[in-house]
Amino acid sequence: QKEVEQNSGPLSVPEGAIASLNCTYSDRGSQSFFWYRQYSGKSPELIMFIYSNGDKEDGRFTAQLNKASQYVSLLIRDSQPSDSATYLCAVNVITGKLIFGQGTTLQVKP
Amino acid sequence: GAVVSQHPSWVICKSGTSVKIECRSLDFQATTMFWYRQFPKKSLMLMATSSEGSKATYEQGVEKDKFLINHASLTLSTLTVTSAHPEDSSFYICSASWGQMGQPQHFGDGTRLSIL
Repeated sequence: QKEVEQNSGPLSVPEGAIASLNCTYSDRGSQSFFWYRQYSGKSPELIMFIYSNGDKEDGRFTAQLNKASQYVSLLIRDSQPSDSATYLCAVNVITGKLIFGQGTTLQVKP
Repeated sequence: GAVVSQHPSWVICKSGTSVKIECRSLDFQATTMFWYRQFPKKSLMLMATSSEGSKATYEQGVEKDKFLINHASLTLSTLTVTSAHPEDSSFYICSASWGQMGQPQHFGDGTRLSIL
């Protein structure tokens, strides 16, 4: 079982819709969870981080964490073509390292 | 805030050459820096973790003598690819974080290394 799992996609949504990206992790001791956006040929950019169960909102982005289910999600409201990218879920394990999922490719169609 | 600068952004060199990549945290003191490698359409692979003044901790399978890491100060870490060969061609990305474990990592722009 992979430590951090994401559906590779592509996830295709129309412009203006809500994009929902999901991630599961295996280490129950993980305490910190991150979403990064990576455009093709570029390095990852931090979008959101969440430490506690529940929702965390920042502009059009909402991160959701459910530690009991070992599940993290990212919602993007009012999706724009510029949101088209690969979204990486990352989980901080006890050693301090970040474990990344394979990433989900999001395509927002005008 | 949280700007990480990586230089150079692109390197093309001959096989057998050593290449040094710099990673600097511009507006914060990085207690820990990380070096990743990424192959096309793949996720990031952690190569090593470094802290200022300490020896780097390498991930299993990463050759320490091949990939030399120096973390000279709280704002600078370097990765030297020694005697590079075509199989070392890749996208190398550094990241930096501060404070306690669990803080976000902020990434540099990456270095695309091509060995001819």
